[in-house]
Amino acid sequence: QVQLQQSGAELVKPGSSVKMSCKASGYTFTSYYIYWIKQRPGQGLEWIGRIGPGSGDTNYNEKFKGKATFTVDKSSSTAYMQLSSLTPEDTAVYYCATGRGFDYWGQGVMVTVSS
Amino acid sequence: DVVMTQTPVSLSVSLGGQVSISCRSSQSLVHNNGNTYLSWYLQKPGQSPQLLIYKVSNRFSGISDRFSGSGSGTDFTLKISRVEPDDLGVYYCGQGTQYPYTFGAGTKLELK
Repeated sequence: QVQLQQSGAELVKPGSSVKMSCKASGYTFTSYYIYWIKQRPGQGLEWIGRIGPGSGDTNYNEKFKGKATFTVDKSSSTAYMQLSSLTPEDTAVYYCATGRGFDYWGQGVMVTVSS
Repeated sequence: DVVMTQTPVSLSVSLGGQVSISCRSSQSLVHNNGNTYLSWYLQKPGQSPQLLIYKVSNRFSGISDRFSGSGSGTDFTLKISRVEPDDLGVYYCGQGTQYPYTFGAGTKLELK
C-alpha cells in the first residue's frame, strides 16, 4: 500500500532554514507528483507546490516562491522540502501527498519557529 | 487564485442522520481537458486529511457509499448519509483545476 513517511518535528529559530523529508513506499516513486501542503495551527490547508520525481519539474504557489524549495532523491524514493528565512508565520504542520491528486498523505511535520 | 467558499462553517448532526455541505468556487472548475477537479477531504482530529471524493463524484478506494458528491461548474455538494461517529471532523473541498490549487476553509461536523 502507498505510504508516505515524513521526518520528525522541528523547533527552529527565526531566520534559519529547515529541511524535511517525505519517504515514499508501496508504489513506483516516479509515477506521481509529490505535493506539499501547509496547515497553520487551527487553520485550513494551503498548497505550497509540487515536484515530479521523475523529471524534477516543479510548480510553486507564487506565495511560496523563495520560501520553499523541493528536491528528490530517486535512489531512496524520498522527497524533500526546504523552507528558508523562517518567521513565526511559518509555524505550521507541513504535509506531503501523492497520487493523481492528494490521494495519499504523510503524517505531517510540525515546524515551530521560535526564539 | 480560485476562492473556494464552504458552507456551513459547522454542522451538528445526530448519529444516523444526513447532512450536506456546500462548496462554491469563484471560477468554473472545468479544466481545458473537460474534467472537473473538485475533491472532498475529511480531517479527523489529530490526523492528516484523507481523500473521500475526487473529480466531483468519484469515491476514493475504500470510501463508503454513504458519501456522495455532486455538482458542476462552480457549485458542488457533499452529502453524508447515516452519519457514524467515525465521520466526525473537518471536511474540506479542494480544487485542482487551476494553479495554485486551493481549498475551502472547512466545515466542522459535530454530534448534536
